[in-house]
Amino acid sequence: SQQGEEDPQALSIQEGENATMNCSYKTSINNLQWYRQNSGRGLVHLILIRSNEREKHSGRLRVTLDTSKKSSSLLITASRAADTASYFCATSNQAGTALIFGKGTTLSVSS
Amino acid sequence: GAGVSQSPSNKVTEKGKDVELRCDPISGHTALYWYRQSLGQGLEFLIYFQGNSAPDKSGLPSDRFSAERTGGSVSTLTIQRTQQEDSAVYLCASKLAGGGDTQYFGPGTRLTVL
Repeated sequence: SQQGEEDPQALSIQEGENATMNCSYKTSINNLQWYRQNSGRGLVHLILIRSNEREKHSGRLRVTLDTSKKSSSLLITASRAADTASYFCATSNQAGTALIFGKGTTLSVSS
Repeated sequence: GAGVSQSPSNKVTEKGKDVELRCDPISGHTALYWYRQSLGQGLEFLIYFQGNSAPDKSGLPSDRFSAERTGGSVSTLTIQRTQQEDSAVYLCASKLAGGGDTQYFGPGTRLTVL
């Protein structure tokens, strides 16, 4: 079963607006990652937040983690058309041998 | 340096045929992963290789699926007697041992079984 579940499933915004995606997970984690996927192909790592961190920034990205609620959010500020993609959260499986992904949020940014 | 590469980028095959998908990880990356992404199931882990250790095959959906990694580098995922439900994008990823949990993904192979 999926470890992470994102919402919303789809999000449509205008350029310049902020986009917020949420992720929930089920078991304890060491860290949580966010990946981006363009056109159903390879995933690109965006950011990793450790379980002892509450917030992390990278450029226009801001990630929060609430381990008490087993949830994380990804905020993309001042969105651009080029941010149009699917975004996935991922956590490691118990054995530490694989990533478990949520179903993803499809973001569409129109100019 | 070069990223993870996969070939072919697209593969169309007939039901019942065998297919081989190839992954070239980033040079020096000892960990290699295969995932499958299909419409109904999202991204699923298939198999994990780490150096000379026995692979973690717990994600392989059936005995029609197998994978090997030769010389600790290139990996081949083989699907025998393909079925229509095998249609998906097969993604390969690699990472450095001790390099944290970040994985580097290839562009994937889109498999269509007719």
